[in-house]
Amino acid sequence: QVRLVQSGAEVKKPGASVKLSCKASGYTFTRYHMHWVRQAPGQGLEWMGIINPSGGSTSYAQKFQGRVTMTRDTSTSTVYMDLSSLKSEDTAVYYCARDSGGGAVFAFDFWGQGTMVTVSS
Amino acid sequence: NFMLTQPHSVSESPGKTVTISCTRSSGSIASNYVQWYQQRPDSSPTTVIYEDNQRPSGVPDRFSGSIDSSSNSASLTISGLKTEDEADYYCQSYDSSNQDVVFGGGTKLTVL
Repeated sequence: QVRLVQSGAEVKKPGASVKLSCKASGYTFTRYHMHWVRQAPGQGLEWMGIINPSGGSTSYAQKFQGRVTMTRDTSTSTVYMDLSSLKSEDTAVYYCARDSGGGAVFAFDFWGQGTMVTVSS
Repeated sequence: NFMLTQPHSVSESPGKTVTISCTRSSGSIASNYVQWYQQRPDSSPTTVIYEDNQRPSGVPDRFSGSIDSSSNSASLTISGLKTEDEADYYCQSYDSSNQDVVFGGGTKLTVL
């Protein structure tokens, strides 16, 4: 069965960076794109970007360009999301979510359990 | 760029039917598929409808999706409501003009 297991909660100070991981199992890692979506406390879902695990190509939401970097390690079937210059407004639960298509269709079929990132001085 | 607008909350009694709307602000609702996600408290979202009206395996047929070009909106209908359906529901589509994923603001469904 498809599983996406994310790394544990993080507490960071403003201005710092955070790197989250999402380990995939139960399917061929390189066949499905992966997205990152975040959710601030009590708020809705916000898309951050997508990575193609096959070649490593990425596309980021305009809001996060320059601050986010998505990478992958095919040897461990893991994708990473690095967010820099953290602000209090980045406090949120961050989800990885698998794209449901063979190519990128920008819809999600499986989600990780989420990682809480708290940004506080 | 377009937005997807959902009602903030809806409520209905067990056994009844409820419909949640998702209205696209510009461009045709039929231009890109609409998905619906269910998010129970303190849980990750799960897909209940994809490609406008398709149900993933394991999702009961009480859940159905549709689009209406006349109102430029998508709808999620849940029949035979159960208390376990109480959750937040989000619609989602893709803005191909700027390669952006768009979520609706979410609808809190209360089954009382």
